Amino acid sequence: KQEVTQIPAALSVPEGENLVLNCSFTDSAIYNLQWFRQDPGKGLTSLLLIQSSQREQTSGRLNASLDKSSGRSTLYIAASQPGDSATYLCAVSSGGGADGLTFGKGTHLIIQP
Amino acid sequence: NAGVTQTPKFQVLKTGQSMTLQCAQDMNHNSMYWYRQDPGMGLRLIYYSASEGTTDKGEVPNGYNVSRLNKREFSLRLESAAPSQTSVYFCASVRGGEQYFGPGTRLTVT
Repeated sequence: KQEVTQIPAALSVPEGENLVLNCSFTDSAIYNLQWFRQDPGKGLTSLLLIQSSQREQTSGRLNASLDKSSGRSTLYIAASQPGDSATYLCAVSSGGGADGLTFGKGTHLIIQP
Repeated sequence: NAGVTQTPKFQVLKTGQSMTLQCAQDMNHNSMYWYRQDPGMGLRLIYYSASEGTTDKGEVPNGYNVSRLNKREFSLRLESAAPSQTSVYFCASVRGGEQYFGPGTRLTVT
């Protein structure tokens, strides 16, 4: 059974810093990996989708990498801003019959002004 | 283009009551999913539907039923609610492997 782990569980940094969020998964036979942002009491917003054949994806100040062989992904946030404060969730799809996502428990990020 | 919509936003039920959570998407996606989110457990898949008229169980299907009557709508039914079903429920649909989530329904069972 696929398991997804996110480290750290919580992170607080001053505004302007570059930071890295980590995601690891136990089964490297994935279809894709998706990073989401969730604000308190809200739904999930998709940030980046990396297909299994890709190594990285970029959107603005966000860059996500994928290393399937080691079962790892990182989300890099450049020049952090207070508006980046949220919980960041990593999820993998293993495809097949039940191709729902397996989620990590998230990293709660606080950017201090 | 509203994306994925869910109703209601909030609901309080007594143990044993029934209700249906509604989900609709206007993106013409084939696949739709229901998840629940619980503190310390993350999001877990309840049921999914790969296409109109088909449904399959996910990780935590017990106590739930689903219905995919057409391409747009995928409903989740609790026949006899239990306190363990207190959770936030999210519906999602898929395009090109990317999942798009609705705003969620916060359900409390007392």
